[in-house]
Amino acid sequence: GENVEQHPSTLSVQEGDSAVIKCTYSDSASNYFPWYKQELGKGPQLIIDIRSNVGEKKDQRIAVTLNKTAKHFSLHITETQPEDSAVYFCAATFSSGTYKYIFGTGTRLKVLA
Amino acid sequence: TAGITQAPTSQILAAGRSMTLRCTQDMRHNAMYWYRQDLGLGLRLIHYSNTAGTTGKGEVPDGYSVSRANTDDFPLTLASAVPSQTSVYFCASSVEGGEKLFFGSGTQLSVL
Repeated sequence: GENVEQHPSTLSVQEGDSAVIKCTYSDSASNYFPWYKQELGKGPQLIIDIRSNVGEKKDQRIAVTLNKTAKHFSLHITETQPEDSAVYFCAATFSSGTYKYIFGTGTRLKVLA
Repeated sequence: TAGITQAPTSQILAAGRSMTLRCTQDMRHNAMYWYRQDLGLGLRLIHYSNTAGTTGKGEVPDGYSVSRANTDDFPLTLASAVPSQTSVYFCASSVEGGEKLFFGSGTQLSVL
């Protein structure tokens, strides 16, 4: 069945360093790939997304890259700050009517001051 | 704007009892969803509704039911709770045909 693998499950970086989280999807029909950030005690919140017709997208310190051939996509956070500490989820979906996301298992990012 | 409101925030429930988790949104979104979040498993879709009056099954629907009598409310019912339903439950919504999900703050449910 459809599957999204996410690595690593936990990641600790020093403040100011970069963080990279990687996801692999199985359904080649997937064409929309969002990333959600979940802070403690809150629901996930969309931080960036990418569609299959684009290879890279940036928004200030965060960026997402997509390799359709390898079915990989990654989240890059540069100049990490303590407020970046959270759980990050990737997801993949085929956008046709109902969006049934397949989520990754999450990455707990800790930014050490 | 409140967005999505879930109630209760947390609940301890005896096995075999029934429970309804409430979800209300004020964004007039047509589509609504229920997810459960378990450690190491991420977010899994339980049920969804594309518009008022319609519902559909997600990845893990067994043991749960939903209704969508109007646009704003999407309650999730556990008819006879079992310990494996211990989880954090998130309600979400989106504009019909829209990709961005808006999540509530979740309900922590423990079934003992």
